[in-house]
Amino acid sequence: EVQLVESGGGLVQPGGSLRLSCAASGFTFTSYEMNWVRQAPGKGLEWLSFISVSSGTIYYADSVAGRFTISRDNAKKSLYLQMNSLGAEDTAVYYCARGGGYYFMDVWGKGTTVTVYS
Amino acid sequence: QSVLTQPPSVSGAPGRRVTISCTGSSSNIGAGYDLHWYQQLPGTAPKLLIYGHSNRPSGVPDRFSGSKSGTSASLAITGLQAEDEADYYCQSYDSSLSGLVFGGGTKLTVL
Repeated sequence: EVQLVESGGGLVQPGGSLRLSCAASGFTFTSYEMNWVRQAPGKGLEWLSFISVSSGTIYYADSVAGRFTISRDNAKKSLYLQMNSLGAEDTAVYYCARGGGYYFMDVWGKGTTVTVYS
Repeated sequence: QSVLTQPPSVSGAPGRRVTISCTGSSSNIGAGYDLHWYQQLPGTAPKLLIYGHSNRPSGVPDRFSGSKSGTSASLAITGLQAEDEADYYCQSYDSSLSGLVFGGGTKLTVL
């Protein structure tokens, strides 16, 4: 079964850091681009970051550029999101999603929740 | 506001047809980048519904269809069912932002 499982979410104070992980299974991880997407409570989807198979191409949304870093470990079939300088606006459910080509996302994890509180 | 514009809500009676619009610009849909649609049922992760303007992944009923015209796209749902009640999002790539973009989402209510 094709599956993505996020982990690493939790409670963090403003200015703090978290590292999210996404474990892939059931497909050839090295054949797919990957993305992070988040959804704040009661809000819509917000794309955050894209990484190519080789990590040679990386994109970030303006809202997280300079604070978040996407990376992947193809040997471990894992995707990561290092999040620094967190603020209340970063409170959301964070999803990892497999790139299906032509910049769409065809497989999604169930998400991990990040809450930034003071 | 979102780079892709969707109506906040639409509604329809069971069995009827509804459409959801997604308006972009010359840096995304109008530039030839594909438009995709996702369905998000309450409390669940998004699910790919339509890719490449009009293609359905395996398992998506043919009641769902997509189209594109110029800088806009539409999702049509025919034979509305109660289980279609969800939030729907369009998504594309934007060359001016060098990134992926979502519409603000449309809440479909089945009356």
